[in-house]
Amino acid sequence: QKEVEQNSGPLSVPEGAIASLNCTYSDRGSQSFFWYRQYSGKSPELIMSIYSNGDKEDGRFTAQLNKASQYVSLLIRDSQPSDSATYLCAVLTSGTYKYIFGTGTRLKVLA
Amino acid sequence: GAGVSQSPSNKVTEKGKDVELRCDPISGHTALYWYRQSLGQGLEFLIYFQGNSAPDKSGLPSDRFSAERTGGSVSTLTIQRTQQEDSAVYLCASSLGDLYQETQYFGPGTRLLVL
Repeated sequence: QKEVEQNSGPLSVPEGAIASLNCTYSDRGSQSFFWYRQYSGKSPELIMSIYSNGDKEDGRFTAQLNKASQYVSLLIRDSQPSDSATYLCAVLTSGTYKYIFGTGTRLKVLA
Repeated sequence: GAGVSQSPSNKVTEKGKDVELRCDPISGHTALYWYRQSLGQGLEFLIYFQGNSAPDKSGLPSDRFSAERTGGSVSTLTIQRTQQEDSAVYLCASSLGDLYQETQYFGPGTRLLVL
């Protein structure tokens, strides 16, 4: 079992719709969770970080964390073509100094 | 201000040669991270420095890989006796503070191709 799992996609949504990106992780003791966006040929950039159960909102982005289910998600409201990118989920594993990344979900927002 | 810079931007080398990759973090950032990204793959975390110290080196793929940081600033990642499977983009990131809370800012990466 991979430590951090994401559906590779592509996930296609129409412009203006809500895009929902999901991530599961195996280390129950993990405390810190991150979503990065990576455009093709570019370096990742941090979108959201979340540390406690529940929702965290920042503009059009909402991160959701459910530690009991070992599940973290990212919702993008009013999706724009410029949101088309690969979204990477990252987990800081407990008791270590390592970030574990998923392989990413490719999002395509159709104009 | 200046972001994270990495050099070289591209490196082509022959199998068996040694390569050295350099990372200049954002000024004042105490934490520095090295990652590797193979084609179509997610990021593989290699090592983390807090100041000049790396608490855990177990993420390095093999003993051919080593990393150091001096003066709390520049870091080098050295790959000895390169193999074709080392071909990847090597990304460096830095953050203001510690591992758990701070935003990491990524450099443009070094694209390594081992022939």
